[in-house]
Amino acid sequence: ETGVTQTPRHLVMGMTNKKSLKCEQHLGHNAMYWYKQSAKKPLELMFVYSLEERVENNSVPSRFSPECPNSSHLFLHLHTLQPEDSALYLCASSQERLSRGEQFFGPGTRLTVL
Amino acid sequence: GEDVEQSLFLSVREGDSSVINCTYTDSSSTYLYWYKQEPGAGLQLLTYIFSNMDMKQDQRLTVLLNKKDKHLSLRIADTQTGDSAIYFCAESILGDDKIIFGKGTRLHILP
Repeated sequence: ETGVTQTPRHLVMGMTNKKSLKCEQHLGHNAMYWYKQSAKKPLELMFVYSLEERVENNSVPSRFSPECPNSSHLFLHLHTLQPEDSALYLCASSQERLSRGEQFFGPGTRLTVL
Repeated sequence: GEDVEQSLFLSVREGDSSVINCTYTDSSSTYLYWYKQEPGAGLQLLTYIFSNMDMKQDQRLTVLLNKKDKHLSLRIADTQTGDSAIYFCAESILGDDKIIFGKGTRLHILP
């Protein structure tokens, strides 16, 4: 595997379910990001991790809980989501934070909340 | 505030040049980017330009920056069917982790 991978690629869940999204980067980068891509809206940065420490949380609801166990892996734990949370969730990584914005993106997880 | 605007749709004939335009509001931008997103895929960085540059060329791609008007454009020469995608303009702000993205321009190639 090369680059940034995400699993699952598609996820359908009910509002009472708990699920997790996984991201893995094989680039040796130190920073990882979660973005939300909704239809007809700009990409929204949700979380930033640098060297496994969270450095930014853009006022994301607590029903989204990130976890970064090491610099290669990033998770997004989901619980009691709402239908408006349906979106494409993109993971990205970069060599360092603030590193000229050369973020490498994964293919995304298409999430549907029923 | 921070805002990046771009038109949502562009149709171009195969072989013609495509020009995708973008405007941004934050004058403290450091880098401006063009990303490409093909169906079912993540965003791929195409090119970027530092805010003190006017132009950058990379093969079929030409980026023009008018800092006075806060206008960025991406020209794709000899547009091919493989160029069909959504193109996102984005800016990064000095000292900030965030990259501010536009909503994307869907490029449709006509035969």
